[in-house]
Amino acid sequence: EDKVVQSPLSLVVHEGDTVTLNCSYEVTNFRSLLWYKQEKKAPTFLFMLTSSGIEKKSGRLSSILDKKELFSILNITATQTGDSAVYLCAVDVIQGAQKLVFGQGTRLTINP
Amino acid sequence: DGGITQSPKYLFRKEGQNVTLSCEQNLNHDAMYWYRQDPGQGLRLIYYSQIVNDFQKGDIAEGYSVSREKKESFPLTVTSAQKNPTAFYLCASSIQGTTGYTFGSGTRLTVV
Repeated sequence: EDKVVQSPLSLVVHEGDTVTLNCSYEVTNFRSLLWYKQEKKAPTFLFMLTSSGIEKKSGRLSSILDKKELFSILNITATQTGDSAVYLCAVDVIQGAQKLVFGQGTRLTINP
Repeated sequence: DGGITQSPKYLFRKEGQNVTLSCEQNLNHDAMYWYRQDPGQGLRLIYYSQIVNDFQKGDIAEGYSVSREKKESFPLTVTSAQKNPTAFYLCASSIQGTTGYTFGSGTRLTVV
């Protein structure tokens, strides 16, 4: 059974702190790993990772994939209250059909 | 503008009643998906469809049914057999063979 596990499930930090969110996976037929930010409704896309060791960066957010150890991390530096959200990790797999397998999400709260 | 439209945004249902959630896309995507999200949890796959007139069960299909009579539309029926239907439901679509998933804004279903 395909499985994606995120940690921690919940994190509360102060504005300006740096946070690291973790995602490990056990899947067959891995295609890519995706990170999403979900505030109230639809998840919004952050990163797609397909190759090990190549960091993807967007402003204060960055992410990297390790396909040997089967995990990914999402880093957010100099956090702001607007970063408060649920961060979802998902793995795109093909097993006959293509689909996304999600982790439980990490609820991040940034206090001013 | 292309996108996915889910309706209604909020839905209340009495116990024992069936209810249908609408999902329409004008992106010309082949594949469509239904996910369920409970508080503090990630997204779990209910049903998915790769082509018209074909669909497969996801991880938590019991108590749900779908149809895919048109490429643009993938309605989800929550039946009275679903024991705990109160949740947030998200529809998504993608082009087969790519990782470009688009999400709708969701329907929040409450059983009263």
